[in-house]
Amino acid sequence: GQNIDQPTEMTATEGAIVQINCTYQTSGFNGLFWYQQHAGEAPTFLSYNVLDGLEEKGRFSSFLSRSKGYSYLLLKELQMKDSASYLCAVSTDRGSTLGRLYFGRGTQLTVWP
Amino acid sequence: DTEVTQTPKHLVMGMTNKKSLKCEQHMGHRAMYWYKQKAKKPPELMFVYSYEKLSINESVPSRFSPECPNSSLLNLHLHALQPEDSALYLCASSQDQEFYGYTFGSGTRLTVV
Repeated sequence: GQNIDQPTEMTATEGAIVQINCTYQTSGFNGLFWYQQHAGEAPTFLSYNVLDGLEEKGRFSSFLSRSKGYSYLLLKELQMKDSASYLCAVSTDRGSTLGRLYFGRGTQLTVWP
Repeated sequence: DTEVTQTPKHLVMGMTNKKSLKCEQHMGHRAMYWYKQKAKKPPELMFVYSYEKLSINESVPSRFSPECPNSSLLNLHLHALQPEDSALYLCASSQDQEFYGYTFGSGTRLTVV
């Protein structure tokens, strides 16, 4: 089976930096995604990593190590609006699992003033 | 147009009712998906359509019936649902040629009474 693991909850202070980790064990790998989801709303795309290394996009960065089955999402200069659930998701090889994403349980981030 | 539009946003239905959820995209994406998400849980894949043909059915009960009338539309027909089917139903689409993740719709919040 596919296993995606991330912490359930994290808290941080406005203006701080937080790192959300994700480890995965999947049969095949075709990319790792991070999504942000506010309560009762649809997930919105944050980042995509397919090669090892760091991808930076404004206040958000995502890192991938395929050999370790590990990724993290780094959020800088935290704002109150960053309070949300952050979903790590892995795409496995194409074929019978066309376009399928396996999601972790999500990390609920609470940002305090 | 870079959106996936879902209607209705909220739906309350009785266990004997028949209703349909609708999803529409005009990005030329050839893969479309239905996900179900319960509170504080990750999205769970239900169905995948690729080029208007059902590609994946994740052993979903027959009271859920998907339909893809054309490349832009995806429906989910509901009949004789149970209260435990209450959830957020998410539609997503992706380009088939290269998978770079989903564009999610805003979801339909379904309550079965």
